[in-house]
Amino acid sequence: GAVVSQHPSRVICKSGTSVKIECRSLDFQATTMFWYRQFPKKSLMLMATSNEGSKATYEQGVEKDKFLINHASLTLSTLTVTSAHPEDSSFYICSAASLTGWRTEAFFGQGTRLTVV
Amino acid sequence: GNSVTQMEGPVTLSEEAFLTINCTYTATGYPSLFWYVQYPGEGLQLLLKATKADDKGSNKGFEATYRKETTSFHLEKGSVQVSDSAVYFCALTNYGGATNKLIFGTGTLLAVQP
Repeated sequence: GAVVSQHPSRVICKSGTSVKIECRSLDFQATTMFWYRQFPKKSLMLMATSNEGSKATYEQGVEKDKFLINHASLTLSTLTVTSAHPEDSSFYICSAASLTGWRTEAFFGQGTRLTVV
Repeated sequence: GNSVTQMEGPVTLSEEAFLTINCTYTATGYPSLFWYVQYPGEGLQLLLKATKADDKGSNKGFEATYRKETTSFHLEKGSVQVSDSAVYFCALTNYGGATNKLIFGTGTLLAVQP
C-alpha cells in the first residue's frame, strides 16, 4: 500500500506554545487528507478534512482557530495546535486519500503523541 | 446517519483460540466496510475490506463478510497468535458523500496470551 509519513512521532511542549505536526504522502498525490484525534480507550474522532489548495472543513465542536490545518500541496498537510494546553494532550493521526478513482482507500500515518505540560 | 458499533473489549484469548469481534453498522446507501488494526504505539493499518454485500475480505488469516441483511461485518480468525495482540477498529465509508470520510467504531483491544 501507499506510504504516509507523519512527523514527529512524539512531542512534548509547554503550555501556551504551538506545535506543528506534518503529514506527508510519500508515493502518491493526496487530494484529501484527514486529521483524527484519538482519546485513551476511545475511537478516532475526525477533526477535519482538507482538500489541497482549499480551506479545511472542520467537524462540529472542533475549534478551527485552535487546530490550524494547511494543505498547501498534494503531498503535505500540517496540523498546528495553537496555544496548547494539557487537555490537548492526545494521539493525533492523519490519513491521506486520492479521490481520483472510485472507492479509493485512505492510508494512515503513524500518529503523533502530543503531551502538553 | 452513519455509525459503527463494535463489541467492547478487552478480549483475552489463549494462543490458537478462535476469534470473533462483532461489528454492526448503520448507513444509508451502499457503504464500504473496513477493519483496521493498531499495534501498540503505531498508527492504523488496513487489515481487510469489503465494498459490497456478500463480499468477504481476508488478510493474514483474518476474515469478515459484508452481511447487508444483518448490517454486520464481524471479524474472525481461526487461530490467533500472540503477535495479533492489538486494537481492532471496524469502520465504514459511505461514498454517497464527496469526502471519503471514514467512520470508526470504538475499537476492541485483543490480548493473546501464550
